[in-house]
Amino acid sequence: QKEVEQNSGPLSVPEGAIASLNCTYSDRVSQSFFWYRQYSGKSPELIMSIYSNGDKEDGRFTAQLNKASQYVSLLIRDSQPSDSATYLCVPVRYSGAGSYQLTFGKGTKLSVIP
Amino acid sequence: EADIYQTPRYLVIGTGKKITLECSQTMGHDKMYWYQQDPGMELHLIHYSYGVNSTEKGDLSSESTVSRIRTEHFPLTLESARPSHTSQYLCASSATGSPTEAFFGQGTRLTVV
Repeated sequence: QKEVEQNSGPLSVPEGAIASLNCTYSDRVSQSFFWYRQYSGKSPELIMSIYSNGDKEDGRFTAQLNKASQYVSLLIRDSQPSDSATYLCVPVRYSGAGSYQLTFGKGTKLSVIP
Repeated sequence: EADIYQTPRYLVIGTGKKITLECSQTMGHDKMYWYQQDPGMELHLIHYSYGVNSTEKGDLSSESTVSRIRTEHFPLTLESARPSHTSQYLCASSATGSPTEAFFGQGTRLTVV
């Protein structure tokens, strides 16, 4: 089983709708999660981090974490065409000596249709 | 905007040539990474470093080598480029301590002909 499982998409939503991106992970040691956004041909950039169970909101973005179910999600409200990108769910695992290991999967490609 | 720079952005080179991809960061981060990514595919960690004189191989086997003589500089070298090395190479860095994000450079798109 892969460490990170995401539907590769493409996930198509109309402009203004809520986009829901889901992620399951296999490593119970992972306690924190990052969501990165990667535009085609560009580098990944961090958009959200979540460290504890529950919801975390930042503008149009809400990250949700359920450690018991090993499930992470990202909701994007009022989706815009500029949100069209690949979204990477990244588990963070402590690897000792003050270091943390990030695991990148293939991500989910989101397409917001005007 | 993250202060991590990669040069060159694009490189087309012939088979058998030696190449060095440069990566520098001005954030004082201890940890630096090299990832390889093909179009539409996931990032694969090929090298990482936790500080000066520390280098480790990543999850994906690579014929490239790296060095970390200075904190801010983490170059990647291919002694003899082959068409199979054609890919996007992304450099990243992060601070030590609490889970912190990895900042990425803009990448080098390498084409070996």
